[in-house]
Amino acid sequence: DAKTTQPPSMDCAEGRAANLPCNHSTISGNEYVYWYRQIHSQGPQYIIHGLKNNETNEMASLIITEDRKSSTLILPHATLRDTAVYYCIKLGGWGKLQFGAGTQVVVTP
Amino acid sequence: GAVVSQHPSWVICKSGTSVKIECRSLDFQATTMFWYRQFPKQSLMLMATSNEGSKATYEQGVEKDKFLINHASLTLSTLTVTSAHPEDSSFYICSARTGSSGANVLTFGAGSRLTVL
Repeated sequence: DAKTTQPPSMDCAEGRAANLPCNHSTISGNEYVYWYRQIHSQGPQYIIHGLKNNETNEMASLIITEDRKSSTLILPHATLRDTAVYYCIKLGGWGKLQFGAGTQVVVTP
Repeated sequence: GAVVSQHPSWVICKSGTSVKIECRSLDFQATTMFWYRQFPKQSLMLMATSNEGSKATYEQGVEKDKFLINHASLTLSTLTVTSAHPEDSSFYICSARTGSSGANVLTFGAGSRLTVL
């Protein structure tokens, strides 16, 4: 059961949109895509999740490709407080949340 | 929104002593809680699933006699690190399911940093 693949790091300019890619080519039909982030020395924070439709909430937008093999998390206007490790996780049903290495996002002024 | 509270946020203890970490769900009931451990510059590792009123389920490689988990009520789970040693020094984080409409969403506590001298 391969996990997801994310770039290890990304830089983003403050005020610009941050687009975080995630590859989950082995995703099965009942698995959702979840995004969490962890700011340094804090507990992780839920951001958004989706199955096949694009989703948007007050924090971010989630764009899932039609074949569901990849997705992109969009932070529309990145701020310095968005500097964190972002985790993309595929999970079905009531499975246990397992974290990979994630993407370290650094937002610079 | 839902809040998960952990206590203490940090603790220093001597080698050989036991340390208890509490995880509370505030204003909601949590039949299932999860305990994670995170070493510096590493990702979170799931240690165990805590079920109210029954025994915890441990992940492979996690010693259940060393990491005692008790989930005696719907709002409290505790993790006791017994006979702690320096290699047990880590960031321990608990979480509880809080998603609505069947979503498997977790809310995490702020974490407890354990340093064993």
